[in-house]
This record gives sequence, structure tokens and C-alpha cells, in this order.
Amino acid sequence: GAVVSQHPSRVICKSGTSVKIECRSLDFQATTMFWYRQFPKQSLMLMATSNEGSKATYEQGVEKDKFLINHASLTLSTLTVTSAHPEDSSFYICSARVQGYGKPQHFGDGTRLSIL
Amino acid sequence: EDKVVQSPLSLVVHEGDTVTLNCSYEVTNFRSLLWYKQEKKAPTFLFMLTSSGIEKKSGRLSSILDKKELFSILNITATQTGDSAVYLCAVEAVGGSQGNLIFGKGTKLSVKP
Repeated sequence: GAVVSQHPSRVICKSGTSVKIECRSLDFQATTMFWYRQFPKQSLMLMATSNEGSKATYEQGVEKDKFLINHASLTLSTLTVTSAHPEDSSFYICSARVQGYGKPQHFGDGTRLSIL
Repeated sequence: EDKVVQSPLSLVVHEGDTVTLNCSYEVTNFRSLLWYKQEKKAPTFLFMLTSSGIEKKSGRLSSILDKKELFSILNITATQTGDSAVYLCAVEAVGGSQGNLIFGKGTKLSVKP
């Protein structure tokens, strides 16, 4: 149980393109999902917390107009990187938590984004 | 500032060896400490620790938390090449109802045949 699906797994596109990444909880409902970014040989850095039915909470230094998050249902959150540039190239990973005390976050397989 | 520090950053062992990975933390409003294994893709969940001194085991892996010393270890016995991965330690802090994770930089484990 507790499977999180992330799509697409790989994106290569030109500078200026907007890219949408989907994160789905397949067998549970998630009122809260998290979006992380990971640079090579670095650990995961939380970008934002996605809340179903309300605005996302962004970490300091993350541009909310650049990284649009929509959490329209209990099983789906999307991250849109708007007008992507080469410096946005990274590995983006989402996670979702099973509701209830003492439940861990489960991660999707990640999306490797390459902006040319 | 909240932080999670893992050591060593990398480790090379031979099959059959036992390894101990370390994680120390300084986090306000601690809720739990988690260990994940990351191979080529996203992290897979190993353990969640909330109480001191209670060892959690799963096959050849085990982990324990010391909340007084703000420290956790992950042990792997009789290592296999399939154990090669980056092992991430993360601490969950309570901030409102969010519960976001603060990650260490990971320990890269390489198990040689």
C-alpha cells in the first residue's frame, strides 16, 4: 500500500517552456503533499507544501509565481515550472503522507527535468 | 536553524560486512526521525522512529533512536551488493499541521562483491 505515482519521469525541453509534473496517491487520500528538489549529490530540499483545496505553502527562496502548485483533489497535486530556464534543471520529487498519527511520507519516483 | 547531519558521507565495504550509518539532528519541535533508501530514483521508506531506545528491525536492517543525544543509527548486517544506495536520514518537525521533512545529505554506501 501507500503508492505515490509521479509523471512524467523525464522531461527535456527548450528554455521558455512551461512544464507540468503530476503527483498522485494511488491507494490513499492525501490532504497534504510535498514537493522537493534535489541537485546532484545534494539532499532533498523542500520547495513547498501542497494543501488540498487551499493555497500551497512555499519555503523561503522559492518563487511561487515560478513554481505553480495546484492540489485540486485528495489524490492529485501538480507542479508547473513556468517559463523554465536551464537553472531550473533538477530532479523534482513529490511525496504524500498517509493520514493518521505516525505515518511516514511516501515518495514518487521523481521527475528529471532538463532545460536546454 | 534546523539541521540533520549524516556520517560518513560515503562508505565502501565488501559483501558480508556490517555497517553502521549515523544521523545527528538539531531540530525544534521534533516529531519523528525517518530513514530512507535512495537508489536511482526516489527514496523508499525504511523506518520511522519516534521513541528512544526502541529498535526497529526489518531483515538485515535495524535502527534505533536516542532522543537525549539527538542521534540515530542505521545498521545493516551481512551486506549485499543490492544494499548499495544512498541512505537518507530525515527528521519530521511539527509546524502547524504540515510535518515537513528535513533531510541530511545522505550516506552513499557501496558494497563490493
